[in-house]
Amino acid sequence: QVQLAESGGAVVQPGGSLRLSCAASGFMFDSYGMHWVRQAPGKGLEWVAFIRYDGTNRYYAESVKGRFTVSRDNSKNTLYLQMNSLRAEDTAVYYCGKDGGSGFDYWGQGTPVSVSS
Amino acid sequence: EIVLTQSPATLSLSPGERATLSCRASQSVSSYLAWYQQKPGQAPRLLIYEASNRATGIPARFSGSGSGTDFTLTISSLEPEDFAVYYCQQRTNWPLTFGGGTKVEIK
Repeated sequence: QVQLAESGGAVVQPGGSLRLSCAASGFMFDSYGMHWVRQAPGKGLEWVAFIRYDGTNRYYAESVKGRFTVSRDNSKNTLYLQMNSLRAEDTAVYYCGKDGGSGFDYWGQGTPVSVSS
Repeated sequence: EIVLTQSPATLSLSPGERATLSCRASQSVSSYLAWYQQKPGQAPRLLIYEASNRATGIPARFSGSGSGTDFTLTISSLEPEDFAVYYCQQRTNWPLTFGGGTKVEIK
């Protein structure tokens, strides 16, 4: 069965960096686009970034553009999110999601990121 | 950026009642709209894609309708496990956007 497992969340100081990972299994990872979505405490969902199945196209929310980089290693079935220049407003649970072609058909359980001094 | 406005913010209903949730887009998204359910402490789950198609394993009491700018998610008869927060999401344009959510709570 499809499984997505995020890791790498931590408490980090403002201005710091963090790299999140999402390990995928149960499907042909190199055939699907992948997303990152976040949810601040008590708030709604915010789409963060997308990478095409082959890594050739990437899109970002304006709020993270220039600070976050999405990448993938298809040989390791792993998705990444490099987060630099972190701000308090980046505090959230970060989910990876598989793009099923018409929606996010599978989600991980999320990894929490807290940006605080 | 396409803004999705969901209403009402909270819906208080009893089990067995019908729930009608609305999602309005700031510009046409054609039929490229999805609905998700999220329960506390859990990841979201895809319910409906392309406005009216139920995702795999989703019960028939969930239905979606609409196109263009106005969409509706209907739960025909609420089961205890349906009390949750529901989000709509568009995939017509980048950036992808979600609505602010509707909480369906037990009355």
